[in-house]
Amino acid sequence: DAGVTQSPTHLIKTRGQQVTLRCSPISGHKSVSWYQQVLGQGPQFIFQYYEKEERGRGNFPDRFSARQFPNYSSELNVNALLLGDSALYLCASGGVEGTLSLGGYTFGSGTRLTVV
Amino acid sequence: GQQLNQSPQSMFIQEGEDVSMNCTSSSIFNTWLWYKQDPGEGPVLLIALYKAGELTSNGRLTAQFGITRKDSFLNISASIPSDVGIYFCAGLNENRDDKIIFGKGTRLHILP
Repeated sequence: DAGVTQSPTHLIKTRGQQVTLRCSPISGHKSVSWYQQVLGQGPQFIFQYYEKEERGRGNFPDRFSARQFPNYSSELNVNALLLGDSALYLCASGGVEGTLSLGGYTFGSGTRLTVV
Repeated sequence: GQQLNQSPQSMFIQEGEDVSMNCTSSSIFNTWLWYKQDPGEGPVLLIALYKAGELTSNGRLTAQFGITRKDSFLNISASIPSDVGIYFCAGLNENRDDKIIFGKGTRLHILP
């Protein structure tokens, strides 16, 4: 069975550009969460989506947005990129109800974004 | 906001030694999690703890949920080379948004 797949694995963008990151959850999972992991830190929560609705948003500026599609895949968009947006962006796929106790969250390998 | 203090920041041990790391929080969580992250990979869940005072094992790993619900520890017995990596504690209050709060990690090095 395929795990959580994220694309691209790496990309380099210039300050001010926009980027779209993609995530496909585990088959049958309806919840997708996005995390930002800056080098040397733990992941920080950005968004959670369940059944195509936003269920939670972390402390990130409005330049960050996301959406979930009918097939439960998700995109994270970041506008007007800053150098500080350079990080590993992780997608986590949730179980039946999207909660840990009912199947747990599985993380993808992430997209490494470098802003120059 | 909620913060997790994880210690130590890094550890250098000999193969075969036992390892202990812990995590404290400024606020209560109703679920504690321990993850391991290898280079180039996402975090992988090792142990999940759901009840205050709970002690759970997963092979050579043992973790406990503190009775105050503000702390947790992870022990690794008889370390082996593949234990090298970064270990994260994380807390979760299962509510509408299931936001997982991560510590800054403990980087485990095993000396030859």
